[in-house]
Amino acid sequence: SSELTQDPAVSVALGQTVRITCQGDSLRAYYASWYQQKPGQAPILVIYNKNDRPSGIPDRFSGSSSGNTASLTITGAQAEDEADYYCSSRDSSGDHPVFGGGTSLTVL
Amino acid sequence: QVHLVQSGSEVKKPGSSVKVSCKASGGTFTSYTIIWVRQAPGQGLEWVGGIIPLLGITKYAQNFQGRVTITADRSTGTAYMELSSLRSDDTAVYYCVRDRRDGSTLFYMDVWGKGTTVTVPS
Repeated sequence: SSELTQDPAVSVALGQTVRITCQGDSLRAYYASWYQQKPGQAPILVIYNKNDRPSGIPDRFSGSSSGNTASLTITGAQAEDEADYYCSSRDSSGDHPVFGGGTSLTVL
Repeated sequence: QVHLVQSGSEVKKPGSSVKVSCKASGGTFTSYTIIWVRQAPGQGLEWVGGIIPLLGITKYAQNFQGRVTITADRSTGTAYMELSSLRSDDTAVYYCVRDRRDGSTLFYMDVWGKGTTVTVPS
């Protein structure tokens, strides 16, 4: 199956650590990538290749993976991290991306 | 650094077609895959289709087969997505995205256009 499952909503206290998870069989074959989307904006890539960050992404964002589960961890969450987060992998043939349903992160 | 600049918002009648453009600035997209991803209001991300401009190879999501055509003009560095027989549930923001591949297991989407809102009133 190419489906990716995410919790719809997660909250974290300011300055605390939060983990957002993504489950799917395709994660056993392909690395997950993670995207942050703020209201009214396009998504941006925050994590790829297990735990690489594009230039400009703070190092409080990290990624990990085990079996069919990938995780995005924000260590010391900031108010500006409040956003929707999407994981992505590939379909079974590697042909095209598939997306999780997204996790809405609230920073309290 | 490549930026993807998309055309402006569109309002279309049901049954009509829309063509959205995506121009690469600051670099070339020829050797990469350009995909289109849409997001309906309040919903998640959905792959529509993509093209490798260098090869002219296209792939489309099953949900859009027969209604979507993706093309690329290498001379201008511009990709296009045309969606026909529009319905109200095609109302969405359409993003063009650079889809990167490194080996057989590493894929990621590193450059996103700002999106084009297509509205099809019911």
